[in-house]
Amino acid sequence: GAVVSQHPSRVICKSGTSVKIECRSLDFQATTMFWYRQFPKQSLMLMATSNEGSKATYEQGVEKDKFLINHASLTLSTLTVTSAHPEDSSFYICSALTGGYYGYTFGSGTRLTVV
Amino acid sequence: KQEVTQIPAALSVPEGENLVLNCSFTDSAIYNLQWFRQDPGKGLTSLLLIQSSQREQTSGRLNASLDKSSGRSTLYIAASQPGDSATYLCAVKHTGNQFYFGTGTSLTVIP
Repeated sequence: GAVVSQHPSRVICKSGTSVKIECRSLDFQATTMFWYRQFPKQSLMLMATSNEGSKATYEQGVEKDKFLINHASLTLSTLTVTSAHPEDSSFYICSALTGGYYGYTFGSGTRLTVV
Repeated sequence: KQEVTQIPAALSVPEGENLVLNCSFTDSAIYNLQWFRQDPGKGLTSLLLIQSSQREQTSGRLNASLDKSSGRSTLYIAASQPGDSATYLCAVKHTGNQFYFGTGTSLTVIP
């Protein structure tokens, strides 16, 4: 089945630095990718939707200049958290539109801790 | 705005026991409902998908039901095994691509 590889699985960074999270579709072309985040004891919330070759669409309340999404190819989407702060510490997970029975495949997630 | 709630937040059962996880949602105009399993470091795995016109779906020891009018779904796990230990997420979708997730139920099956 379709596989989405997400890296890194865990990252700890200093406040003020930037962190890049990658999601790669291994055996299919992902024209559309979704980025979610999950704060402790809360549910996964959609942050943004990216389509290959075009600008991402951000959900209300998500700062587009802070969370940079690049989807320059059909197999790679990246999320860069710029000037990270401790409040950005969260679980980030990507999802690709794959069609088929379930329709979507999720990456394995990234646990970001900003110290 | 759609809100999805899962009860209980955590559950611990002895091996072999049957169990039920509950999910409720506020907006019944859903397109489908999906149950996922979340394992640490392994992301989300789709377990069962119920379309809005369906009442239940079964896969092996898992059975999911949907009562759209009352905004409820249950996931029934029969003869639980230690390998079933994970967090179970319920998510609903309207037309469009966005999932609305619950906060999950953390299940521990004790050998």
